[in-house]
Amino acid sequence: DTAVSQTPKYLVTQMGNDKSIKCEQNLGHDTMYWYKQDSKKFLKIMFSYNNKELIINETVPNRFSPKSPDKAHLNLHINSLELGDSAVYFCASSGEQVAEAFFGQGTRLTVV
Amino acid sequence: AQSVTQLGSHVSVSEGALVLLRCNYSSSVPPYLFWYVQYPNQGLQLLLKYTTGATLVKGINGFEAEFKKSETSFHLTKPSAHMSDAAEYFCAVSEGNTGNQFYFGTGTSLTVIP
Repeated sequence: DTAVSQTPKYLVTQMGNDKSIKCEQNLGHDTMYWYKQDSKKFLKIMFSYNNKELIINETVPNRFSPKSPDKAHLNLHINSLELGDSAVYFCASSGEQVAEAFFGQGTRLTVV
Repeated sequence: AQSVTQLGSHVSVSEGALVLLRCNYSSSVPPYLFWYVQYPNQGLQLLLKYTTGATLVKGINGFEAEFKKSETSFHLTKPSAHMSDAAEYFCAVSEGNTGNQFYFGTGTSLTVIP
């Protein structure tokens, strides 16, 4: 079973569209994250949720809105997509019993 | 505030040669330190971690790293490079508290020359 799973793996869409990326973890972790990896491979934290509550909200456009229906899920909704949103988005999770973060396989978003 | 610096965005080594990837961190509290590897079109996979205790930690695929508090370093090494080691490597630091942020370095791309 995949520990942290994201869907879709690839997403190609036009500017101005709204899209969502889903993330689920089956590790029983309390904390989930969204990271953005740009073309230079730099990883930037976007959001972090702990037990469904937002605890980190870095400076990202308010077109990006995370939603956590329960502590096993953290979805990312993006409104009015722009060319600069093209990147790989990673979901991750961590918990009290482990020190590290576990990452999903990533969603490659291409805005055309 | 915490930060991570990885010296050398690109490192090339010959197959069988020593791999040394450098990582320095800054942290106001005792850090948890990590090395992750990313193969093309894949997510990040944990190589090894330091939390407490022994400062020399061993990870998967023959990699190891040593936490040196006086030098604020956590360099990654492997005695003999394999072609399969070619990947992107990320050093990361956290404060180790639940829900805390993981701060990543800018990554080092390792090329292994046959």
